[in-house]
Amino acid sequence: DAGVIQSPRHEVTEMGQEVTLRCKPISGHNSLFWYRQTMMRGLELLIYFNNNVPIDDSGMPEDRFSAKMPNASFSTLKIQPSEPRDSAVYFCASSRMTGPSGTEAFFGQGTRLTVV
Amino acid sequence: GQQVMQIPQYQHVQEGEDFTTYCNSSTTLSNIQWYKQRPGGHPVFLIQLVKSGEVKKQKRLTFQFGEAKKNSSLHITATQTTDVGTYFCAPYSGGGADGLTFGKGTHLIIQP
Repeated sequence: DAGVIQSPRHEVTEMGQEVTLRCKPISGHNSLFWYRQTMMRGLELLIYFNNNVPIDDSGMPEDRFSAKMPNASFSTLKIQPSEPRDSAVYFCASSRMTGPSGTEAFFGQGTRLTVV
Repeated sequence: GQQVMQIPQYQHVQEGEDFTTYCNSSTTLSNIQWYKQRPGGHPVFLIQLVKSGEVKKQKRLTFQFGEAKKNSSLHITATQTTDVGTYFCAPYSGGGADGLTFGKGTHLIIQP
């Protein structure tokens, strides 16, 4: 398996533009997580899905952020409109399951987003 | 999400010295995972602890889960430059829609 695949690896955009980050989880994994990492706030869980259903989006910073998982092999994280404070590395991760019997999570390489 | 305190935030050691990072929770945990992130990289799973008092070893790394399942530690013996990175704990307390949340991490800096 190729692991978790994220695209793009780097994104530079102007303030106000829409940004879409993409993630392909490992086949057979039922849980998918989106994280944002900055020096100040560390690794923050934004939202996670079980079996393509959003379970907890309490970490999504505001309405400008939205995430979808239309099928088991694809998820998107969209920021519209983007702001400079959204600049961060965004990670997608997947695991076979989460919770008390949770298994290890595999992370993608991340998308480094810069909003100017 | 689960709130834990991970200490220290930064640790400078001389190569060859030992290193320990701690993860402390105010509530009982169902399990806890540990991850390592190299500079510029992504978090990579190291281990999962489930049982009270559990101790697991991976070469120079020793992981412990407290008897009360409220704290955990990672100890590295005789650090090497390849150990540089940030070590995160990811606890799970159960009983809800908790996703995989992470502590703030301990940044290990090794001076040769």
